[in-house]
Amino acid sequence: AQTIHQWPVAEIKAVGSPLSLGCTIKGKSSPNLYWYWQATGGTLQQLFYSITVGQVESVVQLNLSASRPKDDQFILSTEKLLLSHSGFYLCAWSLWDWGTSAETLYFGSGTRLTVL
Amino acid sequence: QQQVRQSPQSLTVWEGETAILNCSYENSAFDYFPWYQQFPGEGPALLISILSVSDKKEDGRFTIFFNKREKKLSLHIADSQPGDSATYFCAADASSGSWQLIFGSGTQLTVMP
Repeated sequence: AQTIHQWPVAEIKAVGSPLSLGCTIKGKSSPNLYWYWQATGGTLQQLFYSITVGQVESVVQLNLSASRPKDDQFILSTEKLLLSHSGFYLCAWSLWDWGTSAETLYFGSGTRLTVL
Repeated sequence: QQQVRQSPQSLTVWEGETAILNCSYENSAFDYFPWYQQFPGEGPALLISILSVSDKKEDGRFTIFFNKREKKLSLHIADSQPGDSATYFCAADASSGSWQLIFGSGTQLTVMP
């Protein structure tokens, strides 16, 4: 069975400080990986996706960057945090569902980020 | 531009009632519509999904009704239980491998015992 682990569970950081969030997928080779951001009480906004190691596509510009250093690892980072970066960050992987002919997203448990 | 809209923003029903959550979309290329359930402090989990070639999909107490002509769909939760209290997100994608699932703003459902 596939498992997804996100770290850390929560972070409290100062404006202007750096940030690194990560997730690891186990039990699935060459997964499609995604980063989503969710404001408190808000919708889910896709930030990045990666189809293969070393390749990351940006969906929206939020002064964040992402990298995929290993097949099973996805990293979200920034050198300078803004107040607007506060929220819930979710890593996800997808599986092709032959029944629906679509990619099904499976989310991790998220990282709660508070920027002060 | 909000491509996927949900209503109501919040909904309260009594235990045993049917909750109806609405969703509409703009992009005619969307053909895959999953609904996700999210509890506070957790990541969303896939609840049920439908392709645009169908007008109805059932899974236990959960049913999606889909109207392609009007670009509308709804999630019906029959015999609602307090444990169904969560936020429900409608999402949409063009299943041709866009790798971009667009989410609506969510409906917060509260089921009163």
